[in-house]
Amino acid sequence: GQQLNQSPQSMFIQEGEDVSMNCTSSSIFNTWLWYKQDPGEGPVLLIALYKAGELTSNGRLTAQFGITRKDSFLNISASIPSDVGIYFCAGPPNTGNQFYFGTGTSLTVIP
Amino acid sequence: DAGITQSPRHKVTETGTPVTLRCHQTENHRYMYWYRQDPGHGLRLIHYSYGVKDTDKGEVSDGYSVSRSKTEDFLLTLESATSSQTSVYFCAISERWTGLNTEAFFGQGTRLTVV
Repeated sequence: GQQLNQSPQSMFIQEGEDVSMNCTSSSIFNTWLWYKQDPGEGPVLLIALYKAGELTSNGRLTAQFGITRKDSFLNISASIPSDVGIYFCAGPPNTGNQFYFGTGTSLTVIP
Repeated sequence: DAGITQSPRHKVTETGTPVTLRCHQTENHRYMYWYRQDPGHGLRLIHYSYGVKDTDKGEVSDGYSVSRSKTEDFLLTLESATSSQTSVYFCAISERWTGLNTEAFFGQGTRLTVV
């Protein structure tokens, strides 16, 4: 099946630091989605990207759709304790009608 | 928040018994999905539906069946539950899978324990 490689797997950072994570696929994607999941909850959509090269922000979050259409990046600026959670990349590849998910990046923010 | 309700939220069942999980949406979205989430594996697709009575298998469909008789309801059935099916199950919906508004929205999950 489709492979989405997400890195890093986990991050431990100090409050106030910036965070970067990325996701790569073996296929071309038409859409890249970034989700955050809190413990005991379902994933919540943070940012959606629809065009290669697109850069989109949502508050302190910024995501980019890679030029090759096989990767995407998520940055969080000035992290705060409520940023703690698991971040997933996802998307439907160029063919097929399924959403595939990365294995997640677990973020811990140390006050 | 997208109108997605999963029921039950928690269930404990015995090995060998059938179990049905329900996903109900109020968004009138065409696509509905069932995922399972396990440590180290992320979210894996079990089955999905692209319309009423139209379903297809995902990557981990063995031991599961689905039905969609109405736009708003998508049922996941474990024919004979096994311990390996202990997991958290998520339902998701989307309006489309390509182009603008290709976004999946998730329910709050069902935690299933098979003993």
